[in-house]
Amino acid sequence: EAGVAQSPRYKIIEKRQSVAFWCNPISGHATLYWYQQILGQGPKLLIQFQNNGVVDDSQLPKDRFSAERLKGVDSTLKIQPAKLEDSAVYLCASSFRDMGTEAFFGQGTRLTVV
Amino acid sequence: DAKTTQPPSMDCAEGRAANLPCNHSTISGNEYVYWYRQIHSQGPQYIIHGLKNNETNEMASLIITEDRKSSTLILPHATLRDTAVYYCIVRFPLQGAQKLVFGQGTRLTINP
Repeated sequence: EAGVAQSPRYKIIEKRQSVAFWCNPISGHATLYWYQQILGQGPKLLIQFQNNGVVDDSQLPKDRFSAERLKGVDSTLKIQPAKLEDSAVYLCASSFRDMGTEAFFGQGTRLTVV
Repeated sequence: DAKTTQPPSMDCAEGRAANLPCNHSTISGNEYVYWYRQIHSQGPQYIIHGLKNNETNEMASLIITEDRKSSTLILPHATLRDTAVYYCIVRFPLQGAQKLVFGQGTRLTINP
């Protein structure tokens, strides 16, 4: 079974620029998560999708971050404009269904804002 | 929403059992206890989960106290590859979907 695919693996941008991350979940997984992990901290949930609907985006900084999940499959997370404090690893995860199922994580995208 | 408390770091000798504690004193009756770990530069990896009964799989054992206010993850024969940050998570319902919220975790170091 193929895992969660993310791209790019690394990205360096200047502050105030825009950036987008892409995630392809495991086939058939209805739930998709985006996390931000700042160095030395645990992953912070940004947004959770159930199919193509948002079930939680309470921690997503909506003035600069946006995310979509086209047709309930792939997902894109965008930052516009980026700030220095957005430097982090952005992790995507997916799970088959809700109760009691494990989430599978991608390798993440390491973003550096200079 | 139940929160978890874990020691920030632990050490264990290679070949010994690693016992990682987690407190979740405000857990409610329908919330599960999950454990994930994150090896350096990788995404988190699922280990095990449970509701009330003790659970065991090929990676670890999970012991949940009778009152469900705490649990222990046991790695029976720790190896150097088990060095990682271990996260104890209690999942709670949200509109039929379950959020997966990570805390700070326990940084486990396995020493040769």
